[in-house]
Amino acid sequence: GAGVSQSPSNKVTEKGKDVELRCDPISGHTALYWYRQRLGQGLEFLIYFQGNSAPDKSGLPSDRFSAERTGESVSTLTIQRTQQEDSAVYLCASSLTSGMPSYNEQFFGPGTRLTVL
Amino acid sequence: DQQVKQNSPSLSVQEGRISILNCDYTNSMFDYFLWYKKYPAEGPTFLISISSIKDKNEDGRFTVFLNKSAKHLSLHIVPSQPGDSAVYFCAASAQYSGAGSYQLTFGKGTKLSVIP
Repeated sequence: GAGVSQSPSNKVTEKGKDVELRCDPISGHTALYWYRQRLGQGLEFLIYFQGNSAPDKSGLPSDRFSAERTGESVSTLTIQRTQQEDSAVYLCASSLTSGMPSYNEQFFGPGTRLTVL
Repeated sequence: DQQVKQNSPSLSVQEGRISILNCDYTNSMFDYFLWYKKYPAEGPTFLISISSIKDKNEDGRFTVFLNKSAKHLSLHIVPSQPGDSAVYFCAASAQYSGAGSYQLTFGKGTKLSVIP
């Protein structure tokens, strides 16, 4: 089937506005991840969802960031009161499951490029 | 504090020759390593991985070598092709340690250019 999709592909917003980014994982994938890639940097883990378990939010940089996931489907990442340092590509990935004994490959979406003016 | 380092931001190689991309890590809890390839405007795609119980894993033209004592891994591409031109990310996880095993820590990436 289709791969991981994300929308919008590009988002330009003004400082102080809220933005919502969407991720549609691969059907059947129970694990979903959000990453951020700032210019010239590696991918930075933000948040992880696994089935109905409580999400791991340890990577969220501030309380302006939040994410939700409905069951094992769509996830939204919300950034409130955006700041210029939030400008980055936000990548979503999904995998069949996570953890031992074998690592399950993460499949990435194309990302949403967020620019905060 | 960068736990996964790719010290070469770019690399140029002639078509047909070997490309060697390097990656160093500092966290001794890392026990599973992956390489991802990324084209512009696309998400990273998984390329090859290696567990810490091995020192080499090969898949076609791609081979990953792991030197645990040096906390160093490398990706070899032989022979290099123009279609290999992309950004390559090294990533690591503490899979078998059980703590945050799903989290991947990425390096900053190396841009490979294969010249025809």
